[in-house]
Amino acid sequence: SAVISQKPSRDICQRGTSLTIQCQVDSQVTMMFWYRQQPGQSLTLIATANQGSEATYESGFVIDKFPISRPNLTFSTLTVSNMSPEDSSIYLCSGAQGGTDTQYFGPGTRLTVL
Amino acid sequence: KQEVTQIPAALSVPEGENLVLNCSFTDSAIYNLQWFRQDPGKGLTSLLLIQSSQREQTSGRLNASLDKSSGRSTLYIAASQPGDSATYLCAVRRSAAGNKLTFGGGTRVLVKP
Repeated sequence: SAVISQKPSRDICQRGTSLTIQCQVDSQVTMMFWYRQQPGQSLTLIATANQGSEATYESGFVIDKFPISRPNLTFSTLTVSNMSPEDSSIYLCSGAQGGTDTQYFGPGTRLTVL
Repeated sequence: KQEVTQIPAALSVPEGENLVLNCSFTDSAIYNLQWFRQDPGKGLTSLLLIQSSQREQTSGRLNASLDKSSGRSTLYIAASQPGDSATYLCAVRRSAAGNKLTFGGGTRVLVKP
């Protein structure tokens, strides 16, 4: 199994600013993902974080708004740029190891934008 | 486009009663299905994963069944306890090539002592 940590666990930010969320996995994972969970809703995939190359974004999400980095197999960052109150959500990082199908999730980052 | 539905959205049962949680999906061409638990304000904990070739998986008091042809999975929790109170989410994975999960809306469970 993989243990995933995220920083910060929560933050309150002002409109127009940006926040970078860090995701650290305790072992190498082949795939890393970023999800968003808006209040009272289920999870929606933002993008797949690719090591050493640009992330693959889902429909409705763009790199300018959610730039993602993944410099190695155990670390990734998601930036929420030019935030508005609509960006208030829980952002979750997940990872999956090669050879196993279980996907593991971090504890999430609760973001509130005022 | 795959759509995953969980009904009911909320469920309240007395302690000791068995829980039955339903998950349905529109596209039966799935690779696997995973059940998760989410406590308020927390991340997701993986409970069970069923491959498309399997019909059920068991772990302790939990049993998950899969009927791929009808697009349904059911999570059974035997002898519920107050500690089982949480939101339960199912998610389907479309193919072996990608790990993208499509989630249902979840069932919020309250087990009353």
